Amino acid sequence: QSALTQPASVSGSPGQSITISCTGTSSDVGGYNYVSWYQQHPGKAPKLMIYEVSNRPSGVPDRFSGSKSGNTASLTISGLQAEDEADYYCSSFTTSNTRVFGGGTRLTVL
Amino acid sequence: EVQLVESGGGLVQPGGSLRLSCAASGFTFSTYGMLWVRQAPGKGLEYVSSITNNGRSTYYANSVKGRFTISRDNSKNTLFLQMGSLTAEDMAVYYCTRAQWRAFDIWGQGTMVIVSS
Repeated sequence: QSALTQPASVSGSPGQSITISCTGTSSDVGGYNYVSWYQQHPGKAPKLMIYEVSNRPSGVPDRFSGSKSGNTASLTISGLQAEDEADYYCSSFTTSNTRVFGGGTRLTVL
Repeated sequence: EVQLVESGGGLVQPGGSLRLSCAASGFTFSTYGMLWVRQAPGKGLEYVSSITNNGRSTYYANSVKGRFTISRDNSKNTLFLQMGSLTAEDMAVYYCTRAQWRAFDIWGQGTMVIVSS
């Protein structure tokens, strides 16, 4: 149950696009289309942003998109806005019927 | 309004036990799997445990297996986490969350567990 690998930090200017990667193994990310992404602002509970690799729950802006290739999933945020500054976590279903999270990525909007 | 409200956190001595509860409202609790996720101070999210909608199947992270027990009472719309043999590594905010699309779509506000003598 090793954590998925995410970059510790990414940054971008308002209006730009950024991509956060999430690398796992064939036992989690690569084995299932059950990758999800969460946004967490300081002191708040996480919020689901993407499920099943690329689907957005109702209310999540279409600036947020997800994809996957092999054992690596990605979250792309286009048209960065100040309120996007937060921590982002990926998660995947695993072969042991559990879940695993990435270590988290801090997004800074410059 | 769909809501999850955790309770039961607090200060416990190393080696001690604690029982967390999560009260669900605004949805049909018995039709959803549920999970516990924790976050140590300044750290990332960590999966703890999950349970199927009918309670028949339970799953645990290796770090808590044998020490924690997840359960639910569908008649009372409540999820539980019985924690034992607690150590400093268990100190965290514990979130209750609902499983939807193999993701966690609804989260509670969290309850803090402090393990200290």
